[in-house]
Amino acid sequence: GAVVSQHPSRVICKSGTSVKIECRSLDFQATTMFWYRQFPKKSLMLMATSNEGSKATYEQGVEKDKFLINHASLTLSTLTVTSAHPEDSSFYICSASQQGEAYDTEAFFGQGTRLTVV
Amino acid sequence: LAKTTQPISMDSYEGQEVNITCSHNNIATNDYITWYQQFPSQGPRFIIQGYKTKVTNEVASLFIPADRKSSTLSLPRVSLSDTAVYYCLVGRTGFQKLVFGTGTRLLVSP
Repeated sequence: GAVVSQHPSRVICKSGTSVKIECRSLDFQATTMFWYRQFPKKSLMLMATSNEGSKATYEQGVEKDKFLINHASLTLSTLTVTSAHPEDSSFYICSASQQGEAYDTEAFFGQGTRLTVV
Repeated sequence: LAKTTQPISMDSYEGQEVNITCSHNNIATNDYITWYQQFPSQGPRFIIQGYKTKVTNEVASLFIPADRKSSTLSLPRVSLSDTAVYYCLVGRTGFQKLVFGTGTRLLVSP
């Protein structure tokens, strides 16, 4: 299957700083990527839908000014956590799909990024 | 997006067959049923996908009755490494935003 890569896999930052997480589709083009966050022993919660060349669509309750999403190319979407606070510590996961009607039944997930804000 | 309901947890022993059932009463005609496996601190990993009847691959089987309102993931002869959370998702999972349910936390013991 297709490969989605996230970087970094884990990051520790100080409170008040910003952190950027990258999500890349390595061997296919993805017009749409999704960002999720997951707290310990909880399920994945969708944060936003990232569309190449346009503004991201955020889920209710997700602050768009705090979680900046940029999808500048068909293989890269970035999530920037701005002015991070300890409560932003979580596991962030992206997913992407290949273009084309024939591929719209499977989503491929990155390995996740563990963010710890101290 | 069809809502799914799964048991929150299951316990098994090595070598046993495990069946996890998922209910999705509001599944739409175009929806597929996809199962993912997630280990701690990793992203979900695709296990199997089906539309109707039975699908089998090298790691699992998926049974879907005619009304498609439920599905059963079957893991033959589980091992300790199958301890994970298993998620059932319904829809055109490639392009739709996914709504994850609670998942089923499977614990395999020696």
